[in-house]
Amino acid sequence: GAVVSQHPSRVICKSGTSVKIECRSLDFQATTMFWYRQFPKQSLMLMATSNEGSKATYEQGVEKDKFLINHASLTLSTLTVTSAHPEDSSFYICSARQVTPGEQYFGPGTRLTVT
Amino acid sequence: AQSVTQLDSHVSVSEGTPVLLRCNYSSSYSPSLFWYVQHPNKGLQLLLKYTSAATLVKGINGFEAEFKKSETSFHLTKPSAHMSDAAEYFCAVNTGGFKTIFGAGTRLFVKA
Repeated sequence: GAVVSQHPSRVICKSGTSVKIECRSLDFQATTMFWYRQFPKQSLMLMATSNEGSKATYEQGVEKDKFLINHASLTLSTLTVTSAHPEDSSFYICSARQVTPGEQYFGPGTRLTVT
Repeated sequence: AQSVTQLDSHVSVSEGTPVLLRCNYSSSYSPSLFWYVQHPNKGLQLLLKYTSAATLVKGINGFEAEFKKSETSFHLTKPSAHMSDAAEYFCAVNTGGFKTIFGAGTRLFVKA
């Protein structure tokens, strides 16, 4: 089956720094990728939809200047958390939508801890 | 608008007994429905999905779910729980607008 990877799997950073998370579709092309955030013991909340070659579409309440998304190729999307704060600590999960037949696959997630 | 309601925040069963995790959905169009499982500190694993074919969907690890349009439900069942089934389960809906919306999740506990 199709595989989506995320890197890093875990990251610890200090307040005020930026951290980049990569999401890759390993064996298929993905015109659309999605970024979710999951707080402890809570559900996945969609943050933004990323389309290759165009600007991401952010969900209501998500700061686009804080969570920078770049989808530069059909197999890679990146999420950069800028000026991170402890409240940004969360589990970030990406998913990639296959061009054909349109299936969506999830990455293993990235645990971000901001100290 | 589409939404998903998982009726139980947690369910506890004894090993070897049936499992029922309830999910109701709201959608303006014909939905695709999914059940995912998440073990602690892990990503999501797709258990099964409904995409307008057979209403009774069989998934991995002995799970199945039945799509009931009249009840707007998509409950997940398994005849006999195993200790390894203990995890968080998410019901999700997608109405073709690319976005997948998740329910709040149900934590399944399995007692020996």
